[in-house]
Amino acid sequence: GENVEQHPSTLSVQEGDSAVIKCTYSDSASNYFPWYKQELGKRPQLIIDIRSNVGEKKDQRIAVTLNKTAKHFSLHITETQPEDSAVYFCAASKGDYKLSFGAGTTVTVRA
Amino acid sequence: NAGVTQTPKFQVLKTGQSMTLQCAQDMNHNSMYWYRQDPGMGLRLIYYSASEGTTDKGEVPNGYNVSRLNKREFSLRLESAAPSQTSVYFCASSEGGPRETQYFGPGTRLLVL
Repeated sequence: GENVEQHPSTLSVQEGDSAVIKCTYSDSASNYFPWYKQELGKRPQLIIDIRSNVGEKKDQRIAVTLNKTAKHFSLHITETQPEDSAVYFCAASKGDYKLSFGAGTTVTVRA
Repeated sequence: NAGVTQTPKFQVLKTGQSMTLQCAQDMNHNSMYWYRQDPGMGLRLIYYSASEGTTDKGEVPNGYNVSRLNKREFSLRLESAAPSQTSVYFCASSEGGPRETQYFGPGTRLLVL
């Protein structure tokens, strides 16, 4: 099955700085890559996703890039704010209803 | 519009006991999923139901059974609980195809002693 690796496992940034989380996947047939944010004690929520026919997607302070050749994709958060502190999960799917998640990155934004 | 709801919120079981986790969605979604979340391992798919009347195994189905009772409800059953099934269980739903946004429930925290 699909194997998704996520780095780093923890990330501490100064408020206003940028944060970058990287994921690699193993199955070249994967074509859908969502990112979920989970605040402490809460449910995961989708923040952005990208499909394999697109190389980059932006939504305000969040952007995701995809390199299909290298089989990796990244989440970029600019101008970080305290409310960005959470666990972020990347995931990959080849369109068969099976979403494979990375282990998560705990992001802490320091004031 | 409650979205995805799960019951119970928290449960303690003894090894060998059985229980059913309930999930319901009011968004008229076709697809529903059960995940477990363990520290350092992300979310792992247990079972999914692509549409009413169908269920399929995910990544970690052993020790679990599911029932898609109707379009709204998808239950997860542990027939004989084991300590390795101590986890947080999330139900999710999506409108249709596999590349749609999945909406998660609040989770059920299960402790098996």
